[in-house]
Amino acid sequence: AQSVTQPDIHITVSEGASLELRCNYSYGATPYLFWYVQSPGQGLQLLLKYFSGDTLVQGIKGFEAEFKRSQSSFNLRKPSVHWSDAAEYFCAVGISGGYNKLIFGAGTRLAVHP
Amino acid sequence: SQTIHQWPATLVQPVGSPLSLECTVEGTSNPNLYWYRQAAGRGLQLLFYSVGIGQISSEVPQNLSASRPQDRQFILSSKKLLLSDSGFYLCAWSVPPPNTEAFFGQGTRLTVV
Repeated sequence: AQSVTQPDIHITVSEGASLELRCNYSYGATPYLFWYVQSPGQGLQLLLKYFSGDTLVQGIKGFEAEFKRSQSSFNLRKPSVHWSDAAEYFCAVGISGGYNKLIFGAGTRLAVHP
Repeated sequence: SQTIHQWPATLVQPVGSPLSLECTVEGTSNPNLYWYRQAAGRGLQLLFYSVGIGQISSEVPQNLSASRPQDRQFILSSKKLLLSDSGFYLCAWSVPPPNTEAFFGQGTRLTVV
């Protein structure tokens, strides 16, 4: 069965520090992979996506993610975190079969210390 | 450009009362539409999806139902709410496959008391 695992429930970093959020997926075919961000009480905003091609994808707000097929991973990175990056981050795998279905991880809540 | 509207933003309802959440999409035609629920501290679970008017598929058995009376309108309903229906409900849309990117509304916080 398809699944997404985000091993870190909470992460705290200092402003200006680098960030890596982990994501592992289980899916038999070539995955479509996404990272979304959710501010408190808000909907989800797409940060970046991987469909095919270059395994390092750039997104909005200075985020990037690297697809590693051998490790079934799609980790999200940012070289220097800003206080406004504090939010919850969701990794998702897209399954296409007549409709588009996203399977989400449980999310990682990021706190940023000044 | 495409936009998605979802309302109300917040709702407090007593147990046993009915529910109606509405979602509309602008700027696109024949979108796939979705209802997700987010329980506290958990990820998002797909409840319903629709690939066209009147076509509704349910992902999980539950106390809720969905309808799509118009191409860009998606409604989540219940005849009698349960305490366990509390959560954050998100409507989303996407273009038909193979592009599986979804765009989300701002969500409705439902508290059943």
